[in-house]
Amino acid sequence: DVKVTQSSRYLVKRTGEKVFLECVQDMDHENMFWYRQDPGLGLRLIYFSYDVKMKEKGDIPEGYSVSREKKERFSLILESASTNQTSMYLCASSRLVSETQYFGPGTRLLVL
Amino acid sequence: AQTVTQSQPEMSVQEAETVTLSCTYDTSENNYYLFWYKQPPSRQMILVIRQEAYKQQNATENRFSVNFQKAAKSFSLKISDSQLGDTAMYFCAFMKQLSAGNMLTFGGGTRLMVKP
Repeated sequence: DVKVTQSSRYLVKRTGEKVFLECVQDMDHENMFWYRQDPGLGLRLIYFSYDVKMKEKGDIPEGYSVSREKKERFSLILESASTNQTSMYLCASSRLVSETQYFGPGTRLLVL
Repeated sequence: AQTVTQSQPEMSVQEAETVTLSCTYDTSENNYYLFWYKQPPSRQMILVIRQEAYKQQNATENRFSVNFQKAAKSFSLKISDSQLGDTAMYFCAFMKQLSAGNMLTFGGGTRLMVKP
């Protein structure tokens, strides 16, 4: 089975802190994605990557950056956390040209 | 840009009955993919069913089936013989094409409660 893991299930940070969310997949997938999930808005794509060191902006990249130094790991970085970044963050991965994405359990981030 | 709309924020159904979740989308593409994902409480999101736009036949997966109306840009999910384990958030999603970095566009979700 494909396994996508995220470093934390719950995280509480203060405004202005730098926040790292990590995602690891064990299926040698080329594509990795970061979404945020908010009630009524569904999931919105923040960034995605289709190869090591490659990244593309999604629909809402402002306030976020990403890093992909290894194929299995995709990090989401909040350079200076703000309260409007309080949300559920979901990581996903897929094969390069494939329609099926596999999701991690999510990280619920609260920024105070 | 593509948009996906789920007009029912919440629904409930009695166990063993049938329920239909609605989804409409807007696109100018001719070839694309549509999905229903399920997110159970405190559990990971999983794919329920997928439909390729070029296929006229509606996809089915055990108790789950879709009604795909391409001209109407409608993609509803029917759950037959509902079970308590079907309680979850359901998201309809659209993918424009298969390519490197195959992005999904999601609807706002429908929270389904199956009652005993």
